[in-house]
Amino acid sequence: QQQVKQSPQSLIVQKGGISIINCAYENTAFDYFPWYQQFPGKGPALLIAIRPDVSEKKEGRFTISFNKSAKQFSLHIMDSQPGDSATYFCAASKGAGSYQLTFGKGTKLSVIP
Amino acid sequence: EAGVVQSPRYKIIEKKQPVAFWCNPISGHNTLYWYLQNLGQGPELLIRYENEEAVDDSQLPKDRFSAERLKGVDSTLKIQPAELGDSAVYLCASSGRNTEAFFGQGTRLTVV
Repeated sequence: QQQVKQSPQSLIVQKGGISIINCAYENTAFDYFPWYQQFPGKGPALLIAIRPDVSEKKEGRFTISFNKSAKQFSLHIMDSQPGDSATYFCAASKGAGSYQLTFGKGTKLSVIP
Repeated sequence: EAGVVQSPRYKIIEKKQPVAFWCNPISGHNTLYWYLQNLGQGPELLIRYENEEAVDDSQLPKDRFSAERLKGVDSTLKIQPAELGDSAVYLCASSGRNTEAFFGQGTRLTVV
C-alpha cells in the first residue's frame, strides 16, 4: 500500500516558469510533510516542510500548499531555474518529533533554458 | 558542522558475498535511520534507532540483513549473503530533538 502518492513522475519546465508537483496521502495520522530535493549522486536534502495547522508556507521561490480535507499537498517552484533541475520527493511522518519518513516515488524536474 | 558521513561511497561485490556499510550521524543526533533507495524510487525505511535501541525494524529483511548501533553513535548495516536484487543505494539519516532528518550521500551497492 503506497501511503504517499506523487505526481507527475517527470516534469519539464522552461526557465522562469512555475513547476508544480503534487502529493496525496492516506494516513490521517501524518502530521509533518516535507519536500526533499535530490541531485544525482547525493542524498536527499530538506527543501521546505509544513505541518497541518497551516495551509501554505513560503520560503523564497518555494511554496507548499496544504489541503487537509483533501489529504493533498503540493510544491510550487516559482521562476524555475536550470539549477533547480533535480528529483523532488514529498514525504510524510507522524508523531511529535518523529522524522521517520514515508516518501513518494519522486518527480524528476528538468528546467530548460 | 559535519553532516552525516557514510562509507564506502561505492561497493561492488559478487552475489552471496557479505557487505557492510558504515554511518556516522551528526553529533548529538539521537535518532538514526537506514533507508533503501532503488533506482528511480523514493527512499524506504529499513530501520530506525533511538540511541542504541532499534525501535522500528519491521521493514528490515532479517534473514539476510542486520544492523547495529553500539554506544548509540555510529551504525553498521550488514547484508549476508548479498543477492542481485540488493543492488541499490543505502542511505543513512539522523535527526535530533526537534530537528529534521539529514541524509548522508549514501552507499551505492552493485551486486554482480
